[in-house]
Amino acid sequence: NAGVTQTPKFQVLKTGQSMTLQCAQDMNHNSMYWYRQDPGMGLRLIYYSASEGTTDKGEVPNGYNVSRLNKREFSLRLESAAPSQTSVYFCASSESARVEYNEQFFGPGTRLTVL
Amino acid sequence: EDQVTQSPEALRLQEGESSSLNCSYTVSGLRGLFWYRQDPGKGPEFLFTLYSAGEEKEKERLKATLTKKESFLHITAPKPEDSATYLCAVQARGTYKYIFGTGTRLKVLA
Repeated sequence: NAGVTQTPKFQVLKTGQSMTLQCAQDMNHNSMYWYRQDPGMGLRLIYYSASEGTTDKGEVPNGYNVSRLNKREFSLRLESAAPSQTSVYFCASSESARVEYNEQFFGPGTRLTVL
Repeated sequence: EDQVTQSPEALRLQEGESSSLNCSYTVSGLRGLFWYRQDPGKGPEFLFTLYSAGEEKEKERLKATLTKKESFLHITAPKPEDSATYLCAVQARGTYKYIFGTGTRLKVLA
């Protein structure tokens, strides 16, 4: 049981380049989330997917797009990277976004630098 | 506005010196309060969920408590391996979203 996995672990981009961050979970969870973590700001939600086939914006969605490929996989795409998107990105999953009590389980993160 | 504030920002303890971390919150109807541990370069690791005032949860040297306005994470006789950043998050009723605090960086010295 790997839990939540993310690729790549590290990435350096130039301004304007695009890339996709991959996330997969093997816990048969319905809901998946993308966060970014910046110093002094805490984790902030970018997008989430309550179930396969649905996606919704979180607190900071601008500059990002997501795809829920299937129940296991949830990808985050940066179409034209900007230095303000330099951050650590975490994917998380939970059994359901609509269950009364749901704990989120996090992946190891992707450290992205945009020059 | 829903908000989570953690204090102190950083805490240094000697091994065996017990202490508490604080998580104050304002939320429009609490669904759950969550504690996570985060080691450097790693993702947050789930510790506890608390649902209602008066509830307590324990795991090894850690004990989490909840009131209507705040939660405490008590660390009893800490060891160097307890060194980490401890994150608190709340979830309001009717929403999927977690609101995270900025964490407390704990360093336990041998």
